[in-house]
Amino acid sequence: DAGVIQSPRHEVTEMGQEVTLRCKPISGHNSLFWYRQTMMRGLELLIYFNNNVPIDDSGMPEDRFSAKMPNASFSTLKIQPSEPRDSAVYFCASSFLGGGVGNQPQHFGDGTRLSIL
Amino acid sequence: ELKVEQNPLFLSMQEGKNYTIYCNYSTTSDRLYWYRQDPGKSLESLFVLLSNGAVKQEGRLMASLDTKARLSTLHITAAVHDLSATYFCAVDIRGGADGLTFGKGTHLIIQP
Repeated sequence: DAGVIQSPRHEVTEMGQEVTLRCKPISGHNSLFWYRQTMMRGLELLIYFNNNVPIDDSGMPEDRFSAKMPNASFSTLKIQPSEPRDSAVYFCASSFLGGGVGNQPQHFGDGTRLSIL
Repeated sequence: ELKVEQNPLFLSMQEGKNYTIYCNYSTTSDRLYWYRQDPGKSLESLFVLLSNGAVKQEGRLMASLDTKARLSTLHITAAVHDLSATYFCAVDIRGGADGLTFGKGTHLIIQP
């Protein structure tokens, strides 16, 4: 089975540019999460969706960040305008919640390594 | 605010030795997860612990959960070099309905 697929794997861009990160969750999963990993702050939850609906975006650092999930198989995280302090690895994860399955771990994609110059 | 603390944050040990990584969390939860991350790679799920007293083992790794003490441990038996990685514990409060709060990770180096 295909895992969580993220693109691009690496992105280098200049400050002020718009950045769009993409994620395809595992088929059948109904929850999707965006995390950011930095040396200073570790792994932080940015936002998560359940059944394509944003549930909690309190982790989104600023209004420059936005996320969408237009359907069950696709999500985007957008930064506009980007700043050097946004440089990090951004992970997308998905899981299945409910249905009496019991708790399942979140499955992580390979991440997008973002560098803002 | 949920806080998750791991210790040690860095551990260097020799092959063949045993050691334990500790994970404390601040809010009642009966769901705890352990992940492994190799340098530059994604996070790999190791264990899901769902109830007080839960113990799971996979190879040289064994994880346990004490919800009353809000403590989980990851025990390494007879360490081998291939276990060198960063290990994270993570907690969710609402049974998977929330995102995970991660500890800062334990960077483990196992020397031959």
